[in-house]
Amino acid sequence: KAGVTQTPRYLIKTRGQQVTLSCSPISGHRSVSWYQQTPGQGLQFLFEYFSETQRNKGNFPGRFSGRQFSNSRSEMNVSTLELGDSALYLCASSLGQGAGEQFFGPGTRLTVL
Amino acid sequence: GENVEQHPSTLSVQEGDSAVIKCTYSDSASNYFPWYKQELGKGPQLIIDIRSNVGEKKDQRIAVTLNKTAKHFSLHITETQPEDSAVYFCAARGGGGADGLTFGKGTHLIIQP
Repeated sequence: KAGVTQTPRYLIKTRGQQVTLSCSPISGHRSVSWYQQTPGQGLQFLFEYFSETQRNKGNFPGRFSGRQFSNSRSEMNVSTLELGDSALYLCASSLGQGAGEQFFGPGTRLTVL
Repeated sequence: GENVEQHPSTLSVQEGDSAVIKCTYSDSASNYFPWYKQELGKGPQLIIDIRSNVGEKKDQRIAVTLNKTAKHFSLHITETQPEDSAVYFCAARGGGGADGLTFGKGTHLIIQP
C-alpha cells in the first residue's frame, strides 16, 4: 500500500507571497492532519480534516488555512508569507477522526526569502 | 492545552547497550501516546504506541511503558544497532481525539560503534 505523498517536496518563496501544499493520504484513510516542524518550536499541530470538514485547529494565525476534497486529498495554504514560516510542513493520514495512529508523509520544505 | 516534556535532548550509547527516553504530559485526559523515529530528510515514522488502558507494550527490541498516575511514559530500546541512530519524538493526544498530537522536543539518539 502506498504511503502518504506530499507535493512539492521543496519550495522557495519570497515574503508576501502565498503558497499551496498538497497531500494525498494512504488509500482508505479519511483523516488528514497538518503539522509544522521548525528547529525552534519542534512539531506543532496546524489542523485536522475529516470528511471535507476542519475538525480541529492548532494555535496558528488565520493566514494558515486548508481544505479537504471528496477523495480525502488535502491542501494547505499560507498567505502573506513571513520569514518565520520557513519550515518543514508535514501531512499525516489516519483512518478516521481521532483514530490514533497517524502516518506521516516526507514533508514539504518551504523556504521564505 | 496539553504540554509534553521529553528528556534527554541528546543520548549517546554504545552499540548493543540499551537506550531509554522519557516523557511527561500534563493533560490527565490524554489517552494515546505514540513514539516516532525521524531520520534526516524524512518524515516521522511511527514505531510504537500505547493507549491509556495499557501499562506496557513491546515490539521486538522496542518497548513503551506508561504510568498514568505520574503522567509519564518511556521508550526503551534494547540491543541498540547503528540504524537506531535518529531523532525520536514522543507525543500525546487528548481524550476523545479532539486535538492533534502534541509532541515533545525530540531526542537525538547516537549509537557509538
